[in-house]
Amino acid sequence: AQSVSQHNHHVILSEAASLELGCNYSYGGTVNLFWYVQYPGQHLQLLLKYFSGDPLVKGIKGFEAEFIKSKFSFNLRKPSVQWSDTAEYFCAVNGIGTYKYIFGTGTRLKVLA
Amino acid sequence: KAGVTQTPRYLIKTRGQQVTLSCSPISGHRSVSWYQQTPGQGLQFLFEYFSETQRNKGNFPGRFSGRQFSNSRSEMNVSTLELGDSALYLCASSRDRDRGREAFFGQGTRLTVV
Repeated sequence: AQSVSQHNHHVILSEAASLELGCNYSYGGTVNLFWYVQYPGQHLQLLLKYFSGDPLVKGIKGFEAEFIKSKFSFNLRKPSVQWSDTAEYFCAVNGIGTYKYIFGTGTRLKVLA
Repeated sequence: KAGVTQTPRYLIKTRGQQVTLSCSPISGHRSVSWYQQTPGQGLQFLFEYFSETQRNKGNFPGRFSGRQFSNSRSEMNVSTLELGDSALYLCASSRDRDRGREAFFGQGTRLTVV
């Protein structure tokens, strides 16, 4: 079955703390991997994506993610979070040749100023 | 460059009614997909269209249908509304030539069924 698991549903951090959000997927075949962010009242925006090449990908606003194929994982990291990073983060996967995204259930991040 | 536009933004309907939601993709994007977002189920795939053809369908009952027009605009229809259909319905568009197959999302239509 195709699925995406995000381990943390709610995370609360203080500003300047480091962030790591876990994501594991189950999908037969070659995949593209994504992290999307949804700020309060705004639409889903792409943070970063992986489709091939260097497994460490860098995205916007200082975020990065590492694809570990053997672990079927695509964890999101940021060395130092800011209050403005408060949002809901979604990990997603799709297969080659389709726009059918499988999303994780999301992680709500709250950063305390 | 205008983003994905969904109309209307908010809708309140009564059980048993039907509803049509509209999505205008980014100019030049030919692929449109729809998702239902609820607090309990998260984001679930509804359909995917390219060049007026449905390429993929999620696990939703036949009351949920959609279509795409020649200008790539898309509509989805839900008939015989149920309370459980209350959700944020998101539309996403893609160019369909990008290796990364990135989708751009609209702000959604929030449907409330009473």
